[in-house]
Amino acid sequence: GQQLNQSPQSMFIQEGEDVSMNCTSSSIFNTWLWYKQDPGEGPVLLIALYKAGELTSNGRLTAQFGITRKDSFLNISASIPSDVGIYFCAGISSGSARQLTFGSGTQLTVLP
Amino acid sequence: DVKVTQSSRYLVKRTGEKVFLECVQDMDHENMFWYRQDPGLGLRLIYFSYDVKMKEKGDIPEGYSVSREKKERFSLILESASTNQTSMYLCASSLPTGHYGYTFGSGTRLTVV
Repeated sequence: GQQLNQSPQSMFIQEGEDVSMNCTSSSIFNTWLWYKQDPGEGPVLLIALYKAGELTSNGRLTAQFGITRKDSFLNISASIPSDVGIYFCAGISSGSARQLTFGSGTQLTVLP
Repeated sequence: DVKVTQSSRYLVKRTGEKVFLECVQDMDHENMFWYRQDPGLGLRLIYFSYDVKMKEKGDIPEGYSVSREKKERFSLILESASTNQTSMYLCASSLPTGHYGYTFGSGTRLTVV
């Protein structure tokens, strides 16, 4: 099936630092979504993006839908301990409006 | 508060047992999905369903089956559990298109011994 390349695979950062992660695809996506999974829980939707170039914020989180429609970025500013978890990107391609394609996830650890 | 409920958070089963993982959603969603999650492998789709009594194989259906007799309930069945099926299992549901995302349950951590 289709693949989303998410990087980095893991990150260790100090509390207060900013974080960036991204997802790329070889094909065009019409929707980009970012999820966070807390330890031992299911993923929860953070941000949804529907237009190329769109920039959307949710508190300290900001995500962008790439102009080429083949990538998306998530930034977290001033990280705090509760930001720990796995962040997944997901997308809807033109070929399959019903199903999400998921990235492999970025494991974020915030050090005090 | 809308939700997807998975019947068990933790399960320990013996090799060869038949295992049922239950998932119920209260959002009247048409689509339901079962994923397994293993470290370093991300989310892998096992089975999905777009309607009652309908089911489709995902990327890793071997060793699993599903049942969807009612719209709100999607069950994952391990016909004969094996140790390589030890994993975190996640159920999700969505509207007919995935554009608004999936709602996930809290997961069932299954250990097969």
